[in-house]
Amino acid sequence: QVQLQESGPGLVKPSETLSLTCTVSGASIRSFYWAWIRQPPGKGLEWIGYIYYSGLTNNNPSLKSRVTISLDTSKNQFSLKLSSVTAADTAVYYCVTGPYYFANWGQGTLVSVSP
Amino acid sequence: DIQMTQSPPSLSASVGDRVTITCRAGQSISTYLNWYQQKSGIAPKLLIYAASSLQSGVPSRFSGSGSGTDFTLTISNLQPEDFATYYCQQSYSSPPTFGGGTKVDIK
Repeated sequence: QVQLQESGPGLVKPSETLSLTCTVSGASIRSFYWAWIRQPPGKGLEWIGYIYYSGLTNNNPSLKSRVTISLDTSKNQFSLKLSSVTAADTAVYYCVTGPYYFANWGQGTLVSVSP
Repeated sequence: DIQMTQSPPSLSASVGDRVTITCRAGQSISTYLNWYQQKSGIAPKLLIYAASSLQSGVPSRFSGSGSGTDFTLTISNLQPEDFATYYCQQSYSSPPTFGGGTKVDIK
């Protein structure tokens, strides 16, 4: 059973970079595609992007070039960086297995963007 | 991006009812349609993939159907633990997109 756990700061200042890590257990990071999804409070779900262990990535064009997804095979982790954040980036961020349908989810972590 | 539209946005139902939720895609997506259940404060859970395939461990009272642009999620014999918000999602093309959700609450 794949288990995912997000970690990272819960508060980020506007214009700074949001950084989150997802620790994977129960599976090798080489076994799946890995993705990020977010959900603003009280709103719907938005796909951010995915990565495969080969280094292949695909990001949501709506986030333009602000997104970087990377992985660390030695730690069985993958990460999200979202630059130049604004209040609109406040959301619960989930790490999931992907790439295009999502069978395994982390519990999610709330990241608030505020001065 | 492919727009996904769910209806109704919310509904009230009783335990034992049969509930149907509709999802419409902005263009044909074949059967690349998935359904999720989300309870308050908890991560979504995959129920149905490829329009009609039941994810392992999901009760058989959940079923999905449809192809092209029109899809339905049916919950037969609604149980207390089924009160939640349901989302459809297309996996036909990138970026994958979600419907706005349908909240099922207790009548």
